[in-house]
Amino acid sequence: DQQVKQNSPSLSVQEGRISILNCDYTNSMFDYFLWYKKYPAEGPTFLISISSIKDKNEDGRFTVFLNKSAKHLSLHIVPSQPGDSAVYFCAASARQGGSEKLVFGKGTKLTVNP
Amino acid sequence: DAGVTQSPTHLIKTRGQQVTLRCSPKSGHDTVSWYQQALGQGPQFIFQYYEEEERQRGNFPDRFSGHQFPNYSSELNVNALLLGDSALYLCASSLALGTLHIYEQYFGPGTRLTVT
Repeated sequence: DQQVKQNSPSLSVQEGRISILNCDYTNSMFDYFLWYKKYPAEGPTFLISISSIKDKNEDGRFTVFLNKSAKHLSLHIVPSQPGDSAVYFCAASARQGGSEKLVFGKGTKLTVNP
Repeated sequence: DAGVTQSPTHLIKTRGQQVTLRCSPKSGHDTVSWYQQALGQGPQFIFQYYEEEERQRGNFPDRFSGHQFPNYSSELNVNALLLGDSALYLCASSLALGTLHIYEQYFGPGTRLTVT
């Protein structure tokens, strides 16, 4: 049973526009969420995180929104740049439950076209 | 400031053999987690080491074992390799603050293991 789901395997966006990547989770014990970016032949790079006590966190062009009632989070990238083209992974952990392991989705491949 | 490093980069082994992968955490980090990433999937948690002990384990058989050294570096050992063990093995490091709260995990480039 997949606890973290990224239902869109791929997304294509024009440079300068907004990219919205979505993630759903099923485990109500998850209280910390992270987004990672991965280029081919490299390990995942941490992008941004959000605690369940917040509903929004911003860092430059990246904003993560959390809707706890819907068990849904999204990553917004504005404006999108060609260098943002990569696979994006959503991850979650149940930190207050004593579990610090990260549970990942399958990833969404973002392509930003010049 | 060195990030997370892993060795080797690539490895080819035969079924039934044993393999050891190595990881050095980011400077200042004391916790190491290992993940397996199969093709087209997200990383899957294998186990986590802190203070030289395995503190948490995912759904992996006992063929997967590990070790953490006093300098916080870590090894992942896999015995009796199966074809299905072919994957990218990722090491992630983080800093433990208190007993529960570990901040964001930073990943190394991974070791690509191919079992033939």
